[in-house]
Amino acid sequence: DAEITQSPRHKITETGRQVTLACHQTWNHNNMFWYRQDLGHGLRLIHYSYGVQDTNKGEVSDGYSVSRSNTEDLPLTLESAASSQTSVYFCASSEPVADTQYFGPGTRLTVL
Amino acid sequence: AQSVTQLDSHVSVSEGTPVLLRCNYSSSYSPSLFWYVQHPNKGLQLLLKYTSAATLVKGINGFEAEFKKSETSFHLTKPSAHMSDAAEYFCVVKELTGGGNKLTFGTGTQLKVEL
Repeated sequence: DAEITQSPRHKITETGRQVTLACHQTWNHNNMFWYRQDLGHGLRLIHYSYGVQDTNKGEVSDGYSVSRSNTEDLPLTLESAASSQTSVYFCASSEPVADTQYFGPGTRLTVL
Repeated sequence: AQSVTQLDSHVSVSEGTPVLLRCNYSSSYSPSLFWYVQHPNKGLQLLLKYTSAATLVKGINGFEAEFKKSETSFHLTKPSAHMSDAAEYFCVVKELTGGGNKLTFGTGTQLKVEL
């Protein structure tokens, strides 16, 4: 069965370190998204991609970067982790202009 | 820009009683609207969607929502709550510009179901 996976599921890191969160989907979807979830804010879009070599900034992109070298993967990098980036991160994918996005199980990141 | 407002951050109901989760939207044209559900420590799952067809939309697990343009609302309802409905629910609007499908989420409503 097609799926979307995220790794690691839990991560603790220190302020200033570089962190990369992995997202892998086997749906062969062109569109992929990264969100962060914080109490009182719902999910907010960090970055998104509509295909290989395409990346775009979302609502809360400062301090994050992504790259898309193939269809299946969209890794999210925190260049220099900050305590404000402690959050739960969700990856999602979809067909182009489709209504439904499929979400991964999430990664809980703690920055100390 | 389009947005959604979830009017209640927490809703508590007794098992077997009706559920009402309220959502208002803001859009200059007819939007695509969704409800997603997130069970504890899980990812998000699509509950139902409105995309300009029938205004009363039926979803999974007995939930439904009615699109009311005059009230700019898209409230989620269920006639009889079950313990397994306890979760966080998000009202979501799809952005229609640029040929893409970005979603904008509301802040969520935590549903508690009591015996």
